[in-house]
Amino acid sequence: DIQMTQSPPSLSASLGDKVTITCQASQNINKYIAWYQQKSGKAPRLLIRYTSSLESGTPSRFSGSGSGRDYSFSISNVESEDIASYYCLQYVNLNTFGAGTKLELK
Amino acid sequence: EVQLVESGGGLVQPGRSMRLSCVASGFTFRNFYMTWVRQTPKKGLDWVTIVNYDGTTTYYRDSVKGRFTISRDNAKSTLYLQMDSLRSEDTATYYCARLDGYRVVDAWGQGASVTVSS
Repeated sequence: DIQMTQSPPSLSASLGDKVTITCQASQNINKYIAWYQQKSGKAPRLLIRYTSSLESGTPSRFSGSGSGRDYSFSISNVESEDIASYYCLQYVNLNTFGAGTKLELK
Repeated sequence: EVQLVESGGGLVQPGRSMRLSCVASGFTFRNFYMTWVRQTPKKGLDWVTIVNYDGTTTYYRDSVKGRFTISRDNAKSTLYLQMDSLRSEDTATYYCARLDGYRVVDAWGQGASVTVSS
């Protein structure tokens, strides 16, 4: 099974900051990583697939990068509506989610 | 609009059974793999099981193998999760979700809460 190590578990940011979340896979996942946003009491929402491809409706301040085992997800110019938890997902071999990152306002 | 609506959650005693259902609409159900994903505050999101287009191929995480069964009725656009021999560690919110052609989870239900407790 592929493991996904996501960090940090939590982040505190001010409005307008840039924040970055990382996920490291236990093996090469060939860029088959997606990123989700989950707001309190809601189901996750798909933001990015295949490392860096934004879903329709995802604001351009969200971005993703990486290759091999190491991937990152960034939000530039954090807005209040971005306060949520974020999860990575590998889908090269079944599915494995990262443990999540909770983004809070400083 | 893609919609996935779960039902069947609630409180159940350890060792007992429960079945979740998920009615899909807004897309051609038989053209998609489907999955159940569960979430707990402590462990986050975990995929539980996946089923292929016609129900002939299934995958399960180790902790539920032999206890949970995923199935689908394409005529009714409905996904099921039969959960037997339930344990306290199965307590979670269970999401019905759609997998796109690349096996990315691209649509989610609202979630069904399952509590296993005596």
